Amino acid sequence: DAGITQSPRYKITETGRQVTLMCHQTWSHSYMFWYRQDLGHGLRLIYYSAAADITDKGEVPDGYVVSRSKTENFPLTLESATRSQTSVYFCASTWGRSYNSPLHFGNGTRLTVT
Amino acid sequence: RKEVEQDPGPFNVPEGATVAFNCTYSNSASQSFFWYRQDCRKEPKLLMSVYSSGNEDGRFTAQLNRASQYISLLIRDSKLSDSATYLCVVNRRPGNTPLVFGKGTRLSVIA
Repeated sequence: DAGITQSPRYKITETGRQVTLMCHQTWSHSYMFWYRQDLGHGLRLIYYSAAADITDKGEVPDGYVVSRSKTENFPLTLESATRSQTSVYFCASTWGRSYNSPLHFGNGTRLTVT
Repeated sequence: RKEVEQDPGPFNVPEGATVAFNCTYSNSASQSFFWYRQDCRKEPKLLMSVYSSGNEDGRFTAQLNRASQYISLLIRDSKLSDSATYLCVVNRRPGNTPLVFGKGTRLSVIA
């Protein structure tokens, strides 16, 4: 039961650098999501995807880019990292048939932008 | 009104106590409701779905009140291992739309 895995677990980068966070799931779930979690804000949706090559913006998409060329992978790229993007990033997928089915989360990537 | 609102707590309760959390949501047409549990520095995990008629899973009971637009979670006979943050989750709009998470309510069960 490999599930959903995120890499790296921890990342420190400098302002202005491009960073890619990886997300891989082995269940062939159609729906995948990226959230960020910050103190005082809770979990906020960045991007989501219904299938390969179908992506949509969430609440806080600015400064991020996603792609989904394969069902199992959903990488998140910070094009030019800023300190405000220091956060914990969670990837999630759902076994359901819709966006509002229960989510299963990866164990997160802790990103620090210096 | 915020989309999903929760009392942040912390709720500090002794072992064996009963504790209840409420969560209010803004969209009267929301259809999907869940409670998640998140341990410190870990990922959120589904605790239970919330059904219109209310549902129970062991010591946990979830209720939905559509008229007042809130859901509740009741934990009976609290255990030390119940200490965590409990997240209320609702779909933002009717139809096929992503879920929105509350900021969570922190529970500490004390020996």
